[in-house]
Amino acid sequence: GESVGLHLPTLSVQEGDNSIINCAYSNSASDYFIWYKQESGKGPQFIIDIRSNMDKRQGQRVTVLLNKTVKHLSLQIAATQPGDSAVYFCAESTSYDKVIFGPGTSLSVIP
Amino acid sequence: GAVVSQHPSRVICKSGTSVKIECRSLDFQATTMFWYRQFPKQSLMLMATSNEGSKATYEQGVEKDKFLINHASLTLSTLTVTSAHPEDSSFYICSAGDASSGNTIYFGEGSWLTVV
Repeated sequence: GESVGLHLPTLSVQEGDNSIINCAYSNSASDYFIWYKQESGKGPQFIIDIRSNMDKRQGQRVTVLLNKTVKHLSLQIAATQPGDSAVYFCAESTSYDKVIFGPGTSLSVIP
Repeated sequence: GAVVSQHPSRVICKSGTSVKIECRSLDFQATTMFWYRQFPKQSLMLMATSNEGSKATYEQGVEKDKFLINHASLTLSTLTVTSAHPEDSSFYICSAGDASSGNTIYFGEGSWLTVV
């Protein structure tokens, strides 16, 4: 099966600071990108998505940036809170077909 | 909103037996569902695409005879792990896309399988 990465990078941030989680995707044909949050023992939770015809999209406290030139995606979380502590995955898809996940980043918020 | 439900959420089975996991789309129809496997501290790995009324499409390296997928209706896909071994112990997650809402993808809450 397809798998991307076998390790989990970690990011520690102080409560109230902004967090930036980065992701490199692999398929230049991907046209739909999603960020998911996963808490321990639960399924992925949708955070925000972006289509390839956009380079930025904002949600509530979150912003996704897409750079197709270098195949890079980032998730910015403003005023990070303890409840934001989780593993974050970027994912890519082509024409809303199967979703392929990146390796994930573990975010730890320090109170 | 649309919800994808998995059952059971946790299951323990003996080595050599088979176990079935169900994935249901509760208020939308899904012609396609996806099955993932996740080992601790790793990412979700796509196993197969479940197609309603036809054979599933398996990703490279996934044994189709070991992981049987059936998608007999537009709201239900099942994954059967046959002749389970301890190394099959994992978190299995399904997803489905809701075409009526712009193909929004919804994930189930996952099923923990422990093979003893």
